[in-house]
Amino acid sequence: RKEVEQDPGPFNVPEGATVAFNCTYSNSASQSFFWYRQDCRKEPKLLMSVYSSGNEDGRFTAQLNRASQYISLLIRDSKLSDSATYLCVAPGGSASKIIFGSGTRLSIRP
Amino acid sequence: NAGVTQTPKFQVLKTGQSMTLQCAQDMNHEYMSWYRQDPGMGLRLIHYSVGAGITDQGEVPNGYNVSRSTTEDFPLRLLSAAPSQTSVYFCASSLTAGHPETQYFGPGTRLLVL
Repeated sequence: RKEVEQDPGPFNVPEGATVAFNCTYSNSASQSFFWYRQDCRKEPKLLMSVYSSGNEDGRFTAQLNRASQYISLLIRDSKLSDSATYLCVAPGGSASKIIFGSGTRLSIRP
Repeated sequence: NAGVTQTPKFQVLKTGQSMTLQCAQDMNHEYMSWYRQDPGMGLRLIHYSVGAGITDQGEVPNGYNVSRSTTEDFPLRLLSAAPSQTSVYFCASSLTAGHPETQYFGPGTRLLVL
């Protein structure tokens, strides 16, 4: 089983819609999780951290479900500029590794 | 403060050639890493380093060597390039391995191996 798995999408939703995607992880000892955003042909950039109590930043909400070992990202009132690939990140089997999921591609249509 | 810089931006190699991808950071970060990104595969960790003089293998280390003689620099060497190494390579650094929220990526190197 891969250490971090994501639904590759693509998710194609209209502007203004709410969209959510999940990411599962295999290392039950992982403590910290993150969502990155990657625009086409650019480097990934940190979008937000995922805390045990959840994390909200404007239209974006990240949550952690330890029992089922997944993290989620919810985007409300989606904008055209939200079109990107979203990558989840978790520590790997050893604390020294930072492992990325394969990414979920999101496309917002007018 | 330049962040993470990578050179070259683009490179074309012939099978069997060797080359070094350069990566440097000026943020005094302890942790540095190399990823490759292929379509549909996400970012896969090649090698990483938790500090000067210390390196370790990631998920896909075969065909690549690294060294970390200084905190700032973390070059990636392709010993004998193969078409399977055609990819986009990203270097990243973070304060420590335990703080990926401090991780910054370089702009990437696009490598084509013929």
